[in-house]
Amino acid sequence: EIVLTQSPATLSLSPGERATLSCRASQSVRSYLAWYQQKPGQAPRLLIYDASNRATGIPARFSGSGSGTDFTLTISSLEPEDFAVYYCQQRSNWPRFTFGPGTKVDVK
Amino acid sequence: EVQLLESGGGLVQPGGSLRLSCAASGFTFTKNAMSWVRQAPGKGLEWVSTISSSGGSTYYADSVKGRFTISRDNSKNTLYVEMYSLRAEDTAIYYCAKTWLRGMDVWGQGTTVTVSS
Repeated sequence: EIVLTQSPATLSLSPGERATLSCRASQSVRSYLAWYQQKPGQAPRLLIYDASNRATGIPARFSGSGSGTDFTLTISSLEPEDFAVYYCQQRSNWPRFTFGPGTKVDVK
Repeated sequence: EVQLLESGGGLVQPGGSLRLSCAASGFTFTKNAMSWVRQAPGKGLEWVSTISSSGGSTYYADSVKGRFTISRDNSKNTLYVEMYSLRAEDTAIYYCAKTWLRGMDVWGQGTTVTVSS
């Protein structure tokens, strides 16, 4: 089973700052990695698929990069609505998805 | 509007069973795989099960294999999961999600299952 680890567990930033979130896979998942955002009391929302492609309607301030085992989600300038938990997910052995434990981005 | 609406959650005793439903609208249900994903209280996301667009292929996480059965009724645009031999660790919000090759692009609002005596 492919295990995903995310760091940091919590990221405390102010609006307007840049956020950099990391996801590492226990073995190569090629570019088959997605990112989701989840706000309290809401369902997750797909942000990025295949490592670097924004899903429909996702603002350009969200970007993804990486391949193999190391991936990054970057939010270029945090808006108030961006404070949430972010999960990475691999689909290397679709449909046996696995999720990372999440990174919480909260207000400093 | 693309929408998924789960129902059927509730309180069930350990060892009991429950059936969850997910009604889909706003997209061609018959052309999409569908999944269940759960989230235990205060925890992260866990993939539970996926079913192909035709219903001919099903996949399960090891944690539920042999106890959960995923199915779909394409004539009713509805996804199901039957859960048996429920355990305390199955307590979670259960989400259904429209699933394509690259991920899960539409999610329902979730239904809560609590397994407790």
